[in-house]
Amino acid sequence: SQQGEEDPQALSIQEGENATMNCSYKTSINNLQWYRQNSGRGLVHLILIRSNEREKHSGRLRVTLDTSKKSSSLLITASRAADTASYFCATGESAGNKLTFGGGTRVLVKP
Amino acid sequence: EAGVAQSPRYKIIEKRQSVAFWCNPISGHATLYWYQQILGQGPKLLIQFQNNGVVDDSQLPKDRFSAERLKGVDSTLKIQPAKLEDSAVYLCASSLDWNGRETQYFGPGTRLLVL
Repeated sequence: SQQGEEDPQALSIQEGENATMNCSYKTSINNLQWYRQNSGRGLVHLILIRSNEREKHSGRLRVTLDTSKKSSSLLITASRAADTASYFCATGESAGNKLTFGGGTRVLVKP
Repeated sequence: EAGVAQSPRYKIIEKRQSVAFWCNPISGHATLYWYQQILGQGPKLLIQFQNNGVVDDSQLPKDRFSAERLKGVDSTLKIQPAKLEDSAVYLCASSLDWNGRETQYFGPGTRLLVL
């Protein structure tokens, strides 16, 4: 079963716009991670936010975590055509480093 | 630093045939994972190894799937016999350890089509 559910399932924006996607989960977590997957490729780790953190930045990425609402958001600012990909959230457990992935948000950035 | 290597990249077989996938993790990574990713879905963990021992195989269909990591480095995942619903991308990942704070690094995956 999938722990995280992303919303929206698909997103189409113009280059330069911001892209926001959300992830909701059901059980308590140790951390939440975001991954990117380009078509036909493996997953690339973007950012990890721990359960005691509320916000984290990495370049043009901003991730928030609200454990009371069991939700997280990923914001990509000033999007580029190269940001076109599927984005997955994954919840991490405290023991074993096990990740449970959501279904992903497919982002299309039009030049 | 070399990434996670997987082979083959693509495989087409008929149902009831067997198939094997190979994974070479990043050097020094103790933990290795196999995921199944069905088209349009997120990856699902099949099995997790810590060195050559199994940590979690709760979602591995053990009647047809098997995996091993005999020397604690390379790993193989086998399906025998394959079913149509096994068509998916099989992703291998590795991490330094399994303490709940380690980034997982993914290989490019093996795309399997079962006809």
